Amino acid sequence: DAGVIQSPRHEVTEMGQEVTLRCKPISGHDYLFWYRQTMMRGLELLIYFNNNVPIDDSGMPEDRFSAKMPNASFSNLKIQPSEPRDSAVYFCASSLNNLNEQFFGPGTRLTVL
Amino acid sequence: DAKTTQPNSMESNEEEPVHLPCNHSTISGTDYIHWYRQLPSQGPEYVIHGLTSNVNNRMASLAIAEDRKSSTLILHRATLRDAAVYYCIRNFGNEKLTFGTGTRLTIIP
Repeated sequence: DAGVIQSPRHEVTEMGQEVTLRCKPISGHDYLFWYRQTMMRGLELLIYFNNNVPIDDSGMPEDRFSAKMPNASFSNLKIQPSEPRDSAVYFCASSLNNLNEQFFGPGTRLTVL
Repeated sequence: DAKTTQPNSMESNEEEPVHLPCNHSTISGTDYIHWYRQLPSQGPEYVIHGLTSNVNNRMASLAIAEDRKSSTLILHRATLRDAAVYYCIRNFGNEKLTFGTGTRLTIIP
């Protein structure tokens, strides 16, 4: 397996634009996680899914953020409208079950100007 | 909130063992201890996890105190590739992992 795949790897956009980050989890994994990492706040869990259903979105910062998982092989995280403070590295991770290790993707570095 | 305490940074010489400490004094009986590491410009990577007994795998060993209030990640022979931020995480028996600030490990050639 190729591991968790994220796209794009880098995204530069202007304030107010919509941003879409994509993730393909490892095949067969039931859990998918979205994290955000900044120097100030470290690594934060935004939302996670189990069998394509959102379980906990308490980490989503505001209504500008939304995430969906339409099927077992794809999830996206949208920010609309984007703001400079959204600049961060966004990681997607997947795991086989609730106690197994999480496998992280390479991340998407988002810069909002 | 999940609370673990780790030193901000540590240094070790290459090819020597490294002992990374973690305090989790408020741990409950069903909490697992997970360790992840993050190499520069990469996503976090699972290292090891355990509940009560000491655990070994190809990457490291995890020594858990008898009272479970602390644990130590042991890298048996550090290499330059082990330079990373190491996170000790309590897991409340569910799938959520709460990352702290971790320990930045520097390996001296």
